[in-house]
Amino acid sequence: DGGITQSPKYLFRKEGQNVTLSCEQNLNHDAMYWYRQDPGQGLRLIYYSQIVNDFQKGDIAEGYSVSREKKESFPLTVTSAQKNPTAFYLCASSIAGKYEQYFGPGTRLTVT
Amino acid sequence: QQQVKQSPQSLIVQKGGIPIINCAYENTAFDYFPWYQQFPGKGPALLIAIRPDVSEKKEGRFTISFNKSAKQFSLHIMDSQPGDSATYFCAASAYMIYNQGGKLIFGQGTELSVKP
Repeated sequence: DGGITQSPKYLFRKEGQNVTLSCEQNLNHDAMYWYRQDPGQGLRLIYYSQIVNDFQKGDIAEGYSVSREKKESFPLTVTSAQKNPTAFYLCASSIAGKYEQYFGPGTRLTVT
Repeated sequence: QQQVKQSPQSLIVQKGGIPIINCAYENTAFDYFPWYQQFPGKGPALLIAIRPDVSEKKEGRFTISFNKSAKQFSLHIMDSQPGDSATYFCAASAYMIYNQGGKLIFGQGTELSVKP
């Protein structure tokens, strides 16, 4: 089955802890993205990567970090510096140079 | 500006009705306008998309109407069904202009409910 997997589906953390969300794709897509979704709001771009070992900040990168060591993997770390980390996090991928982005099932992070 | 404004926030229609969701943008550099469908607890799924060189695109029961001069586009769902009940997001992108790797700017979403 080709697609994007995100794990875990639900994640709970205490305030002050860093947490890493996983995103893996077997679509052979070059570009990968992380979005954050809050209730009643659209998706907002956190980070994106067009090729391995390269990534750029999106609109709300503060308090987040990423790595892109492999084409198929783009993990997102939510650090303790992120003021409001509780949200639904979505990973997406696309073919380089193509607009169409395909999303994974998401990870719901709750920080208390 | 890189905003996309979507309306209405929520919409209720009867089965067979034609819900219409509208989006407006300011940035004339946008050149790709997709619609995504999202069911609760799931990731958004690409539904249909349009480029600004056409005024209408149909795929099954879903139609995008695009008005370049008004900087508006809308989604129409023909013969709507209860299974269409979901949240719909419009988006816009200007890949080549901003060299931002396909960055999508999303509207706020419309929660659609189709009553049987």
